[in-house]
Amino acid sequence: QQPVQSPQAVILREGEDAVINCSSSKALYSVHWYRQKHGEAPVFLMILLKGGEQKGHEKISASFNEKKQQSSLYLTASQLSYSGTYFCGTEFDQGAQKLVFGQGTRLTINP
Amino acid sequence: KAGVTQTPRYLIKTRGQQVTLSCSPISGHRSVSWYQQTPGQGLQFLFEYFSETQRNKGNFPGRFSGRQFSNSRSEMNVSTLELGDSALYLCASSLNPGASTEAFFGQGTRLTVV
Repeated sequence: QQPVQSPQAVILREGEDAVINCSSSKALYSVHWYRQKHGEAPVFLMILLKGGEQKGHEKISASFNEKKQQSSLYLTASQLSYSGTYFCGTEFDQGAQKLVFGQGTRLTINP
Repeated sequence: KAGVTQTPRYLIKTRGQQVTLSCSPISGHRSVSWYQQTPGQGLQFLFEYFSETQRNKGNFPGRFSGRQFSNSRSEMNVSTLELGDSALYLCASSLNPGASTEAFFGQGTRLTVV
């Protein structure tokens, strides 16, 4: 049931774009995206509900493809502050408040 | 507005002992969830509480238990500690359960079992 994130790690130069994918073999109700920096708590980025809604947050946006049961996180013109590990948390039932997280994608942004 | 507060931040215990971790959610938040984070298994759901009732439970042995008080503060307890229980334990609070509301995580309690 654990969603699969890809890639596992990516290294970029500042200003480059990145896409992180989160795929599930089970039908999803929602996908939550978090970023965690080393030694810190995961920070909420956004939620996407089934219905193919795309959301944005500054230069970070995400989409949810219900047919593919996949969500993608887009980081454009990456900044040094974007470095960290990105997790997708999937919710299979509405209101379950039981997130099943992917293994994470480690993003490193170099100057 | 204060965030989610977890205490203690660090803990070292011996195998066989028990431990209690505390979580104070954001003021006004009534739902509290607990997660275990390890390098090998990632973030794994332990349980979720709302209105002092456990609503969901993850796939963990009965040694892991929790409760929630009337002020929404929550505690989790691990009895008969094993080396494999060493992990970062994270608490997340949300306004209400359901409706896929955002969850805000605390800094976590780093538990080391020796």
